[in-house]
Amino acid sequence: EDQVTQSPEALRLQEGESSSLNCSYTVSGLRGLFWYRQDPGKGPEFLFTLYSAGEEKEKERLKATLTKKESFLHITAPKPEDSATYLCAVNSGGYQKVTFGIGTKLQVIP
Amino acid sequence: ETGVTQSPTHLIKTRGQQVTLRCSSQSGHNTVSWYQQALGQGPQFIFQYYREEENGRGNFPPRFSGLQFPNYSSELNVNALELDDSALYLCASSSGTHLGNEQFFGPGTRLTVL
Repeated sequence: EDQVTQSPEALRLQEGESSSLNCSYTVSGLRGLFWYRQDPGKGPEFLFTLYSAGEEKEKERLKATLTKKESFLHITAPKPEDSATYLCAVNSGGYQKVTFGIGTKLQVIP
Repeated sequence: ETGVTQSPTHLIKTRGQQVTLRCSSQSGHNTVSWYQQALGQGPQFIFQYYREEENGRGNFPPRFSGLQFPNYSSELNVNALELDDSALYLCASSSGTHLGNEQFFGPGTRLTVL
């Protein structure tokens, strides 16, 4: 059974203080690893898909990286509007079943 | 291009009742997946529909059922509601069953069971 573990569960940063969120996964054949952002009471917003170890993707202040066992979401010089829960998910099935972690709740303080 | 839409936004039901939630997929997408998200948890996969057929199911009992229509919109039906069914129900659409395709989520339906 696929497993996704995210750490830390919560993170509080000062504006401009860079950090990284971790996503460790156990799957039988990774097809894709996804990062989503979720604001309270709303649906997840797609950020990135990573397919193979060594791959990196960037979007504004966010950079996602992937190894064979984990993925990192690096946040550079965060702003208060980056405050949200960041979800990591994996797809390893023959269809699009996606297994999510419980997320990291990020709070960026001005 | 319209995104994924869901209705209703909020719903309150009592234990034992039945509920139907609706989802319109993003333009050009033929695959719809449904997820249940309890408070403080990540979304849990319920099932997926591709071209009107169920294409995979998570660990949910048969009282959770679904439909997909020719225009690729979808319904989630839950019978004999239980208190633990209270959650945010999310619909996600994608194009085809190509492995690793990103899914785009709707805003969700908040279901409260009393």
